[in-house]
Amino acid sequence: GQQLNQSPQSMFIQEGEDVSMNCTSSSIFNTWLWYKQDPGEGPVLLIALYKAGELTSNGRLTAQFGITRKDSFLNISASIPSDVGIYFCAIRVRFGAGTRLTVKP
Amino acid sequence: NAGVTQTPKFQVLKTGQSMTLQCAQDMNHNSMYWYRQDPGMGLRLIYYSASEGTTDKGEVPNGYNVSRLNKREFSLRLESAAPSQTSVYFCASSVRRVEKLFFGSGTQLSVL
Repeated sequence: GQQLNQSPQSMFIQEGEDVSMNCTSSSIFNTWLWYKQDPGEGPVLLIALYKAGELTSNGRLTAQFGITRKDSFLNISASIPSDVGIYFCAIRVRFGAGTRLTVKP
Repeated sequence: NAGVTQTPKFQVLKTGQSMTLQCAQDMNHNSMYWYRQDPGMGLRLIYYSASEGTTDKGEVPNGYNVSRLNKREFSLRLESAAPSQTSVYFCASSVRRVEKLFFGSGTQLSVL
């Protein structure tokens, strides 16, 4: 079946630093989704991407749909403590393994 | 507006016991899903229901059964729990299949 490879697996950063994570798939798709899971909660949709090359921002978050349509990137600028959580990429109903983000004040 | 509600929030079972996890959504969504989350493995789809009256297997269906009771409710049953089913279970819904998902807050299940 289709594989989603998400990296890095975890990140430990200082408050104020920028963060970058990515996801690759073995097949071409038309939609990439990024979710965030706060501790003890279910995932919540952050950004949806529908077109190759598309760059979409949501506050300090920016996500890009790769030109090859096999990858996507999520960047967080000027991280703050509430950015802590697990970030998942998803295609349709399949999720990557997640990137666990820890932000040190 | 409750969204997706899951019960119970926590459950401890002994090996071989059975139980049903309940899920209800009040957003008039057509599709509903059950996932399990294990450390380092992300969310894996157990079963889904694209619309009322239909259910289909996901990635890891073995050991589980589901019932789409009506448009609002989608339950997950473990007939004979095993330690390998210790996990956090999430229910989700969407307007239609393969659209963005709305998740409940999860059920933490331990099987001893």
